[in-house]
Amino acid sequence: AQRVTQPEKLLSVFKGAPVELKCNYSYSGSPELFWYVQYSRQRLQLLLRHISRESIKGFTADLNKGETSFHLKKPFAQEEDSAMYYCALRGWSNQFYFGTGTSLTVIP
Amino acid sequence: NAGVTQTPKFRILKIGQSMTLQCTQDMNHNYMYWYRQDPGMGLKLIYYSVGAGITDKGEVPNGYNVSRSTTEDFPLRLELAAPSQTSVYFCASSLQGGRTEAFFGQGTRLTVV
Repeated sequence: AQRVTQPEKLLSVFKGAPVELKCNYSYSGSPELFWYVQYSRQRLQLLLRHISRESIKGFTADLNKGETSFHLKKPFAQEEDSAMYYCALRGWSNQFYFGTGTSLTVIP
Repeated sequence: NAGVTQTPKFRILKIGQSMTLQCTQDMNHNYMYWYRQDPGMGLKLIYYSVGAGITDKGEVPNGYNVSRSTTEDFPLRLELAAPSQTSVYFCASSLQGGRTEAFFGQGTRLTVV
């Protein structure tokens, strides 16, 4: 069964500190993984996807198949990074499975 | 570009009332989805559609109905509103196949009193 786990519901870091949002998944095939961000009362928007191996707004995420993880990292957190972050997996039926989300607060 | 558009943005319903949440997309996406977002619970899939005329249940379909008569539109119907349906509802769409993400609407905040 497909499942996405985000163990931290809340995460607070100081501005300029590194941040890591954890995501673990369960999937029998080759996963397609995404990170979505939702700023206060806005729609979800794609932050990055593992296929692209890109860095968006300073965030990166590496797929670790051995640990079934797709953690999101940023070396220096900014106040504007405060938001809700969702890890998502696209399954074989093209359904998207979301984790429960991590609310990140960057303290000035 | 409009993308995925949902209406209304906010609605208050009384218990037992019915309503339809509208969703339309102009990207010619074949897949469309309805999610509900509850605090601490993430997004749960209510229904999805793989194309016009085809719909299927997600994780939490009870109390909802959908239809997909066109590629563009995917309305969500609540027949007998209950307080448990108080939530934020998001519609999304995507293409089939690899390297594609889901695009989301701005959400509908529904309160059932």
